[in-house]
Formats: sequence, C-alpha cells, structure tokens
Amino acid sequence: DIQMTQSPSSLSASVGDRVTITCRASQSISSYLNWYQQKPGKAPKLLIFAASNLQSGVPSRVSGSGSGTDFTLTISNLQPEDFATYYCQQTYSKPETFGQGTKVEIK
Amino acid sequence: QVQLVESGGGLVRPGGSLRLSCAASGFTFSDYYMTWIRQAPGKGLEWLSYISSRDNTIYYADSVKGRFAISRDNAKNSLFLQMSSLRAEDTAVYYCARGEYSSSSLDYWGQGTLVTVSS
Repeated sequence: DIQMTQSPSSLSASVGDRVTITCRASQSISSYLNWYQQKPGKAPKLLIFAASNLQSGVPSRVSGSGSGTDFTLTISNLQPEDFATYYCQQTYSKPETFGQGTKVEIK
Repeated sequence: QVQLVESGGGLVRPGGSLRLSCAASGFTFSDYYMTWIRQAPGKGLEWLSYISSRDNTIYYADSVKGRFAISRDNAKNSLFLQMSSLRAEDTAVYYCARGEYSSSSLDYWGQGTLVTVSS
C-alpha cells in the first residue's frame, strides 16, 4: 500500500497569512493526488484534484502543486472559513490512502 | 443537485452485523464509481472500499476485507455496505462518496452515518 505523509500535523496561522501543507507519497503517484477540506462535524469537501486542478467553486487563493512523490497545498490570504483540517489522498492505486491530516488553527 | 444520504448506522454489539445504505440523487448514478470512507472519533479518514460504475469491479482495504461487502443497485440509485463480524475498532462515521472517473477524485460526499460497536 502507498503511504501518504502530511506535514505539519497542525499549524497556527492568522487571517491574511499564507500557509503551505505538504504531502509525501511512499512511491511515485504521478499526479494522482487530491486535497480535501473538512470542518468539524461535516463531510470532507474536494478542493484540488489531480495535484493542481481547482475544483469548481473553490476560491482561487487555494492552489496545489507537485508530482511524483511530493505535493503542496497552498492557501494564500487565509480567511476565517479556511480554518479546518486538510487531507491529501492518492488515487494512483488501491487502497486509495489518505494522509493523516493537517489541522489549521487560528493563532 | 447532487445528494448522497447515508442511513443504517447505529449501535451494534461486537460480532454483529449492520447494513449501510447510501441513496443517491441529482445525477446519473450509473456513470460514477462509488467509495466508502470512515472516520473514527477524533481520527483521520480511512478509505474502505470501491465499486466501479457498471461492471462491479470491487476493492477493499485490508482492515475490512472478508468482513465487509460493497454493492450497488443502479436501478435504485443506491449503494450499500454490508458489515459483519464487527469490532470495537469499526466504530466510526461512515461516508459514501461519488467518484469522478476523469478526475479520479471524490467530488461529492454524504453527511455520514455513525456506527458504534459496543457491548
């Protein structure tokens, strides 16, 4: 199985900051990498698919990059609604494993 | 609009069985693959099982292989997860999610249903 490792596990940031979350795969997954946002008590929401493609309706301050084994989710000009937990997921092979999550908290 | 509504969760004793359902609406169900994901209390997301749109290609996570069975009824726009030999560690919120082939991503999720395994 492919292991997905996110870093950091949590971070504190202020409104207006730029935050970067990384996700590393245990083997190359090409661009088969998705990012999801989850708020407490809610289902996850797709933000980025295929490493760098913004899902419809997601603000352009969210972006993704990377290929192979190393990927990045960047949120610029952090807004109050961005405080949440973020997960990466590889869909290169089954099981389609998730990272352990990164919690973005208010500083 | 796209809706996925899970049902069937509840309290079950260790060793017991439960069948989860996911009712889909607002899209052509048979065009999409479907996936079950769970989240234990305070923990991250765990991918459980996949079923293809039409030919019933199926995959399971090792943690549930041999105990859980995924199925779908395209005529009734429904997805199922039959769970047996349940353990305390199966306690979680279970989500169904729609899989989009072209993007290989889970673009819509249900609200989840809680399964609690306890004596």
